[in-house]
Amino acid sequence: AQSVTQLGSHVSVSEGALVLLRCNYSSSVPPYLFWYVQYPNQGLQLLLKYTSAATLVKGINGFEAEFKKSETSFHLTKPSAHMSDAAEYFCAVSGAYSGAGSYQLTFGKGTKLSVIP
Amino acid sequence: DAGVIQSPRHEVTEMGQEVTLRCKLISGHNSLFWYRQTMMRGLELLIYFNNNVPIDDSGMPEDRFSAKMPNASFSTLKIQPSEPRDSAVYFCASTRRNYGYTFGSGTRLTVV
Repeated sequence: AQSVTQLGSHVSVSEGALVLLRCNYSSSVPPYLFWYVQYPNQGLQLLLKYTSAATLVKGINGFEAEFKKSETSFHLTKPSAHMSDAAEYFCAVSGAYSGAGSYQLTFGKGTKLSVIP
Repeated sequence: DAGVIQSPRHEVTEMGQEVTLRCKLISGHNSLFWYRQTMMRGLELLIYFNNNVPIDDSGMPEDRFSAKMPNASFSTLKIQPSEPRDSAVYFCASTRRNYGYTFGSGTRLTVV
């Protein structure tokens, strides 16, 4: 079984400041980890994914996340926030693909990011 | 690639009516997931299919909900009869080999 905890349902940062969104996971099997972004009235868009290759994963729009097994964390960061980053961000976990078919994602409850000009 | 296509984008219906939501997968994807999103409960997985076969429907809230995948590229989610508490945004997503889901833009359902 897998679960995800996102710390902070709402995070506010100033434009140009560091963005840090926290995600901790629990998984009984080697995990695949994902970050998604949802803009208002839109579907979820994949930002980046960890699938057991490099532990530092780079995604779109300047975001990156680091897989830390010892801390069971997969925090999302961006060095400098932009107004267009304001959205809701979801962390998700699934079991690693084993050839038996796709596995369902378990999502966190989301963190709404506000960017203050 | 046109992405995952959902229709309609918005649906307003009266309590007791039947509602059918539609989803077209990305070509080559073999897994299909239906999610419901509300403010109170967040994202909930309702059901998922692998190679057109329902794998897990434990998230389907009641017998009023049913989902089908008549072919590899198309799925429907039906609610009959609909109730006000079914009001939510319904998303479908598809994937191949769990390399990241691609979500549709969602159907915003309002039951009055």
